Amino acid sequence: DVKVTQSSRYLVKRTGEKVFLECVQDMDHENMFWYRQDPGLGLRLIYFSYDVKMKEKGDIPEGYSVSREKKERFSLILESASTNQTSMYLCASSRGGGAYHEQFFGPGTRLTVL
Amino acid sequence: QQQVKQSPQSLIVQKGGISIINCAYENTAFDYFPWYQQFPGKGPALLIAIRPDVSEKKEGRFTISFNKSAKQFSLHIMDSQPGDSATYFCASTASNTGKLIFGQGTTLQVKP
Repeated sequence: DVKVTQSSRYLVKRTGEKVFLECVQDMDHENMFWYRQDPGLGLRLIYFSYDVKMKEKGDIPEGYSVSREKKERFSLILESASTNQTSMYLCASSRGGGAYHEQFFGPGTRLTVL
Repeated sequence: QQQVKQSPQSLIVQKGGISIINCAYENTAFDYFPWYQQFPGKGPALLIAIRPDVSEKKEGRFTISFNKSAKQFSLHIMDSQPGDSATYFCASTASNTGKLIFGQGTTLQVKP
């Protein structure tokens, strides 16, 4: 059974804190993605990675950075959390070779920044 | 040019009825149109997808209708069931990108 796991289901942080969200996939997928989900805005891509140590900006990268040191792990970093980063964060992975392959999502991390 | 517009934002249907969710895109280079289904507390999962070389694709009670000239595609759920209650996202992509562009999502409630 394919699996994408995220380190936390719920997280509460203070404004200005550095926040790490971790994602691990066990499918040997080349591509990994970080999205945020907000009501009425759908899923918006923050960053994606198509290989180890490679990353590309998505549609809303401001205030975020990512790290992919191993193929199975993709981390999202909020350098200095702000209240407008309160959201649901979803990680996904897929096979390489474009966006035609099915994306497998983790259960999400609901982050609240106070 | 990268937007995908989805409607309605929410939908209530009686059990046994037909649920219809619509999406419109702008980029004529888009050539893959999946729909994802998300249950509460879960991540989205691929439901059904279509390429523009066909106008319709059916899988069980779920059908995608595709209108290339109008740049629109829709999801039809026949004989809707309470278990279909979920959030549905349409998406699009082009072969020269590595990413999906998602619509805004539709929350479907099927009443028993």
